[in-house]
Amino acid sequence: AQKITQTQPGMFVQEKEAVTLDCTYDTSDQSYGLFWYKQPSSGEMIFLIYQGSYDEQNATEGRYSLNFQKARKSANLVISASQLGDSAMYFCAMREFGNQFYFGTGTSLTVIP
Amino acid sequence: NAGVTQTPKFQVLKTGQSMTLQCAQDMNHNSMYWYRQDPGMGLRLIYYSASEGTTDKGEVPNGYNVSRLNKREFSLRLESAAPSQTSVYFCASSKLDSSSPLHFGNGTRLTVT
Repeated sequence: AQKITQTQPGMFVQEKEAVTLDCTYDTSDQSYGLFWYKQPSSGEMIFLIYQGSYDEQNATEGRYSLNFQKARKSANLVISASQLGDSAMYFCAMREFGNQFYFGTGTSLTVIP
Repeated sequence: NAGVTQTPKFQVLKTGQSMTLQCAQDMNHNSMYWYRQDPGMGLRLIYYSASEGTTDKGEVPNGYNVSRLNKREFSLRLESAAPSQTSVYFCASSKLDSSSPLHFGNGTRLTVT
């Protein structure tokens, strides 16, 4: 079974609108971490936001927030007020107790002016 | 801060040739990782080293070997390159803390002809 599932290969959003990128995960660990990364066309991997499995509040970092629904095992990334520079690949990842990080297949986001 | 440094950035090999990808981090991280990225498949873990002196196989270890030379350096070796190993390779490091993200190098684009 896939540890991380991202079901949206490609998404489009109008500039200044909000967009939600979906991520579901599969683990039997009680303690785990969820991460989102951005990969622009230049290729580097940029860490965006982290959510711990015991965190009761949804994580926020500037225009990024993580909609964490533990019972549904989902960790969706919400980008508010999209900008042209947000066009990139976005990867959801999970870190389990054993220190391995598992990645989804990514979502390509295009921001339309 | 250099962070995670990978060399080389680009490499072209002929089938059967060998090469070593070098990776070094200056953040005093315990854990280091090698991933490959292929279109539509996200990042897949090749090998990781939770701490100095240990290495473990990831999801796709066949055809690769690794060496954790010291706390800073983690190299990936292809003994006999195959076209299926054409990919972008990322080295990453992290603290052992479960809330710590991966810090990535800039990647190596490898083509095997």
